[in-house]
Amino acid sequence: AQSVTQLGSHVSVSEGALVLLRCNYSSSVPPYLFWYVQYPNQGLQLLLKYTSAATLVKGINGFEAEFKKSETSFHLTKPSAHMSDAAEYFCAVRPRDDKIIFGKGTRLHILP
Amino acid sequence: DGGITQSPKYLFRKEGQNVTLSCEQNLNHDAMYWYRQDPGQGLRLIYYSQIVNDFQKGDIAEGYSVSREKKESFPLTVTSAQKNPTAFYLCASSITNKNTGELFFGEGSRLTVL
Repeated sequence: AQSVTQLGSHVSVSEGALVLLRCNYSSSVPPYLFWYVQYPNQGLQLLLKYTSAATLVKGINGFEAEFKKSETSFHLTKPSAHMSDAAEYFCAVRPRDDKIIFGKGTRLHILP
Repeated sequence: DGGITQSPKYLFRKEGQNVTLSCEQNLNHDAMYWYRQDPGQGLRLIYYSQIVNDFQKGDIAEGYSVSREKKESFPLTVTSAQKNPTAFYLCASSITNKNTGELFFGEGSRLTVL
C-alpha cells in the first residue's frame, strides 16, 4: 500500500533560518506529490504540487520542494523563515488513478 | 468567488444525537470528500463521491453517512453510532478522482459532543 511519512511531528526554527520539512513516500511509480499548509481552525491550502514536470517545484509564500526519485523524497524548504510561517504542514501523495494519501503532518514553530 | 463552504463552523451536540454537517461547492468539481482530523493523526478519509448519486466508504466510515443528490452538495451525518465524534471535519473537492488535480478544502467544521 502507498504511504507517506513526514519526519518530525514538530519542527522549530529561528526567524530568518532555513526551513526544512521532510517527506518520504512509498511508490513503485512516481506519483503526484503535494504540500499543504493549515493554519489553526482552518482548512488546508495548497502550497505546491509535483506532477512529473520539473523536479524542483516552486510554490507560494517562498516555499519550494524537490522531487528526488532515487530517495523517494519530496522535502519542503524555505530559505528564510518568517513568523507567519508558523502552521501545520502536510505532505500528500496521489498514486496514479487513486485517492490522495496524507502524511500525519509537521507543526512548524518559529522562534523569535 | 469559487470555493467550498462548510457549515456550521462550530457545533455542540449532546451524546446520542445525530448531526449533519453541510458542504457546498461551486467549483463544478465531480469528486467530493469528507475527512476527519484529530491531533497527531493527520487526515483520515470518511467517505468520497466521484459522481452524483454514488459514493464510497473511506477508511473510517463506521458511524457516518453521506448523500450526493446534487453535484454541488455532499452533506455528512455523524450518527449516534460513532463512538468518538468530537473532531475537526474537513470537506474537499477535486475535478475528478483520477487526475493530477489537487484537493480544494473548505474551512472545516469543529464538532464537540458534550
